[in-house]
Amino acid sequence: GEDVEQSLFLSVREGDSSVINCTYTDSSSTYLYWYKQEPGAGLQLLTYIFSNMDMKQDQRLTVLLNKKDKHLSLRIADTQTGDSAIYFCAERRFNAGNMLTFGGGTRLMVKP
Amino acid sequence: DAGVIQSPRHEVTEMGQEVTLRCKPISGHDYLFWYRQTMMRGLELLIYFNNNVPIDDSGMPEDRFSAKMPNASFSTLKIQPSEPRDSAVYFCASKLGLAGRYNEQFFGPGTRLTVL
Repeated sequence: GEDVEQSLFLSVREGDSSVINCTYTDSSSTYLYWYKQEPGAGLQLLTYIFSNMDMKQDQRLTVLLNKKDKHLSLRIADTQTGDSAIYFCAERRFNAGNMLTFGGGTRLMVKP
Repeated sequence: DAGVIQSPRHEVTEMGQEVTLRCKPISGHDYLFWYRQTMMRGLELLIYFNNNVPIDDSGMPEDRFSAKMPNASFSTLKIQPSEPRDSAVYFCASKLGLAGRYNEQFFGPGTRLTVL
């Protein structure tokens, strides 16, 4: 996961917006993903974005993609305590078959 | 569907012992992935299968690690002999490979392995 970078930790207050950032390395990546991992559980797909899109919105989640800077972000509006988890971004590279390259994960802590 | 099933959920063993982790993918999925998660190295892909055939095992750390998929509904990851540095959470994931789709990988709950 070294090629996909994320900050380790983010702390926000309940009701605030959270923004989790990710930089990736391969401009040919076709899909980029955000996965959520709750304590003691596996990863669960939250949302994804195709590389020809700049933005995708899904309820409280907004994904922004800046292909020029190879920057991906996940914004969670009205963050709740149940959003506390580790968030992983992942890229699917054009020539990597069906493999995903994951970042190291950002631990989001939501304070009441 | 029950999702991806892994067993055991927790395994504690002593150094030198053989460890076998098991995975049942979602029915109908034709890809299966084994990952390892540690604090130091994050989430690493070890190996993946397509239609029961290993496609890429470049992430398998050493010859002590081996993986098999004898049929479409079962896979094992074996470590022999185990070492303390193998302690990690091992995830299995499966997906349906459809061309042109976003191809979500579905993860199992993981097996937490502790080697003493």
